Amino acid sequence: DIQMTQSPSSLSASVGDRVTITCRASQSIANYLHWFQQKPGNAPKLLIYLASTLQSGVPSRFSGSGSGTDFTLTISSLQPEDFATYSCQQSYSAPFTFGPGTKVDIK
Amino acid sequence: QVQLQESGPGLVKPSQTLSLTCTVSGGSISSGTYYWSWIRQPAGKGLEWIGRIYTTGSTNYNPSLKSRVTMSIDTSKNQFSLKLSSVTAADTAVYYCARDYGSGSSPLMDVWGQGATVTVSS
Repeated sequence: DIQMTQSPSSLSASVGDRVTITCRASQSIANYLHWFQQKPGNAPKLLIYLASTLQSGVPSRFSGSGSGTDFTLTISSLQPEDFATYSCQQSYSAPFTFGPGTKVDIK
Repeated sequence: QVQLQESGPGLVKPSQTLSLTCTVSGGSISSGTYYWSWIRQPAGKGLEWIGRIYTTGSTNYNPSLKSRVTMSIDTSKNQFSLKLSSVTAADTAVYYCARDYGSGSSPLMDVWGQGATVTVSS
């Protein structure tokens, strides 16, 4: 199985901050990497797919980059509604594993 | 706009079979464009992909659960279902159904249900 790790596991940030979250795969997954946002009690929401493509309706302050084993999710200017947990998921090979999540909370 | 809704018992006894149904509204489950997936999340933990089913009934399961999982699809009711047999406390989780518009070998879940909490306990 491909193991997905994320760093940091949590971070505290202020509104307006630039936030970067890293996801690493245990082997190359090309660009088969997706990012989800999840708020407490809610289902995950797809933000970015195939490493860098913004899902329809997602604000442009979200961006993704990377390929191979190392990927990044960036929020250019954190907004109040962005405080949530962010998870990556690989769809390169089954089982299609998720990262453990990065919780972004208010500083 | 397509919506998904999970339904089923919230409490299942150990060794029994967990059964959940996902009802799709606002679109046809048999359009042929999508797969239909199940994902679960134990409290305070990460997400785990369970498997996916196509409109033809073709399935792909997580190898770690494959011996216990059965997925089915009922196009007449616009529903798809999950059965997980021989459950233990480790199967306690929120179970999500999702629309999957990925390719045959690479899922991409873009619309999710709200989730159903299932507790395994006697």
